[in-house]
Amino acid sequence: QSALTQPASVSGSPGQSITISCTGTSSDVGTYNLVSWYQHHPGKAPNLILYEVSKRPSGVSDRFSGSKSGNTASLTISGLQAEDEADYYCCSYANSLYVFGTGTKVTVV
Amino acid sequence: QVTLKESGPALVKPTQTLTMTCTFSGFSLSTSGMRVSWIRQPPGKALEWLAQIHWDDDKFYSTSLKTRLTISKDTSKNQVVLTMTNMDPVDTATYYCARQYNWNNHFDYWGQGTLVTVSS
Repeated sequence: QSALTQPASVSGSPGQSITISCTGTSSDVGTYNLVSWYQHHPGKAPNLILYEVSKRPSGVSDRFSGSKSGNTASLTISGLQAEDEADYYCCSYANSLYVFGTGTKVTVV
Repeated sequence: QVTLKESGPALVKPTQTLTMTCTFSGFSLSTSGMRVSWIRQPPGKALEWLAQIHWDDDKFYSTSLKTRLTISKDTSKNQVVLTMTNMDPVDTATYYCARQYNWNNHFDYWGQGTLVTVSS
């Protein structure tokens, strides 16, 4: 149950698109289409932005999209906005357990 | 309206046992498919899933921490309790509880979290 690997930081300018990768193994991301993504502003509760790889909860902007290939899932934020500056975590189901990613700090420059 | 709130000591000493309570509203943990998990985040570090309890009292634990964790529920009080034994300074973290419903494998509602510091 090792943490999924994410880049430590990603930055972009307003209006740009960025992609965050989340690499696991054949025991988690590679086997299950049960990857979720969370936006986390420090001091606040994490917020679900994608589930089951690419589904958006009601109320989440369509600027957030997800995909998966093999053992790697990805989150794309298009039309980057200042309010998107936050930490982002992926999470995968893994045979009755759950494993989170190492987290990515998104900076809007 | 679904809400969850964590409560527990802000400070525990090394070797002590931590007891955290998650008090929730807006749903029932006796509803089929409902689950509550505990997740923590050490300062400056990543989220880490700890444990989960199901509506039918099934329980699952992080492989690395299972010997130290116990999760339980009191459906009548809408509470989930997590105990962690033999606390160490590396267990200093913000502890969150979060809901999963309808057999889903994502966390749709989270508590605000509570910081627990382990220090003598």
